[in-house]
Amino acid sequence: AQSVAQPEDQVNVAEGNPLTVKCTYSVSGNPYLFWYVQYPNRGLQFLLKYITGDNLVKGSYGFEAEFNKSQTSFHLKKPSALVSDSALYFCAVRGDSGSARQLTFGSGTQLTVLP
Amino acid sequence: GAGVSQSPRYKVAKRGQDVALRCDPISGHVSLFWYQQALGQGPEFLTYFQNEAQLDKSGLPSDRFFAERPEGSVSTLKIQRTQQEDSAVYLCASTLGQGALQPQHFGDGTRLSIL
Repeated sequence: AQSVAQPEDQVNVAEGNPLTVKCTYSVSGNPYLFWYVQYPNRGLQFLLKYITGDNLVKGSYGFEAEFNKSQTSFHLKKPSALVSDSALYFCAVRGDSGSARQLTFGSGTQLTVLP
Repeated sequence: GAGVSQSPRYKVAKRGQDVALRCDPISGHVSLFWYQQALGQGPEFLTYFQNEAQLDKSGLPSDRFFAERPEGSVSTLKIQRTQQEDSAVYLCASTLGQGALQPQHFGDGTRLSIL
């Protein structure tokens, strides 16, 4: 079975400060990891993914994420937060073994960037 | 259209009624997924299609839930004899290929409320 934990329901950060949204995972085999963002009454938008290779992944809107295999983590980061980054963020995982293609999502972290 | 389209955006039904939710994936996308997102939670997998074949329906919560994609494009999720616990946002996602490495493109969802 695969699972994702997002330990923080809510993260508040001041505009211009760096932000981190935490994610840990459990999966059989090697992980495929994704971050999505959801704005109110909208579907999920893809931000970035880790499949293999460089542990630091760069994505849309200046976001990046660092894959840490020993800590089974994939934290989302941004050097300088914008008010417009305020949204709900989901981490998702899929393992490379087995036939299942669906993603398993965390429960989400509400990011609020304060002006 | 350019994105995944879902209709209706909002559906209110009385307990016991049947409902049908529609998903128009991005043109040419082979894979189609349905997810259920309860309030304050991440999306949970319901079922997966590759073209017209339903390859995984392990996430369907009961035999009241039924999905089809008869021509390999538009998909319909049907819920029979709705219950209050069926109230949720139902998300549809599609990917171009069959692989699990491609990001899923999500529609804006159908918010289902069962009275």
